Amino acid sequence: AQTVTQSQPEMSVQEAETVTLSCTYDTSESNYYLFWYKQPPSRQMILVIRQEAYKQQNATENRFSVNFQKAAKSFSLKISDSQLGDTAMYFCAFRENTGNQFYFGTGTSLTVIP
Amino acid sequence: GAVVSQHPSRVICKSGTSVKIECRSLDFQATTMFWYRQFPKQSLMLMATSNEGSKATYEQGVEKDKFLINHASLTLSTLTVTSAHPEDSSFYICSAGGNTGELFFGEGSRLTVL
Repeated sequence: AQTVTQSQPEMSVQEAETVTLSCTYDTSESNYYLFWYKQPPSRQMILVIRQEAYKQQNATENRFSVNFQKAAKSFSLKISDSQLGDTAMYFCAFRENTGNQFYFGTGTSLTVIP
Repeated sequence: GAVVSQHPSRVICKSGTSVKIECRSLDFQATTMFWYRQFPKQSLMLMATSNEGSKATYEQGVEKDKFLINHASLTLSTLTVTSAHPEDSSFYICSAGGNTGELFFGEGSRLTVL
């Protein structure tokens, strides 16, 4: 079975600063998808960014970017110019190329301090 | 992006009654939907995979007779918590897969059983 590990239960960052959230995973697959989801206090899960494993280029979405290290099975999320609205739980997720099963990490609670 | 709508967002019921939660894909057809349960400050726990026109696939440890899932159309899946007890109180989230690999989530339903 695939496993996703987020080793930082809680993190905080000063507004406008940069923060990096860690995620590692374990799989024997060679092709798969990786995601970061954000769950704000409203509780609805929102997709932040996605990465296909066959793509070497790191995905970016505005202030959000990832550092995808396939050999190390690492998929960290960098949030630049942190804003108060970034305060949320962040979940790293893995999905095999075939099949619908998603595997979620335990989450990192991020607080942006004004 | 694709939209998944979940209703009701909050429900309070008496012990022993049944509660139905609806999950709709608003702008796409979803042959598969997923139901998760989330405890406070924890990750999502997959309860079952809902398949349109066939029986749901339940994860180990999830009582299929307590958590009835019906996926009668390509846009609607329902979760019925039967004979609810206080320990069933939780946050329930549905999701559906988009054609680009990610999951889209409903707003979640907070169930409180008195």
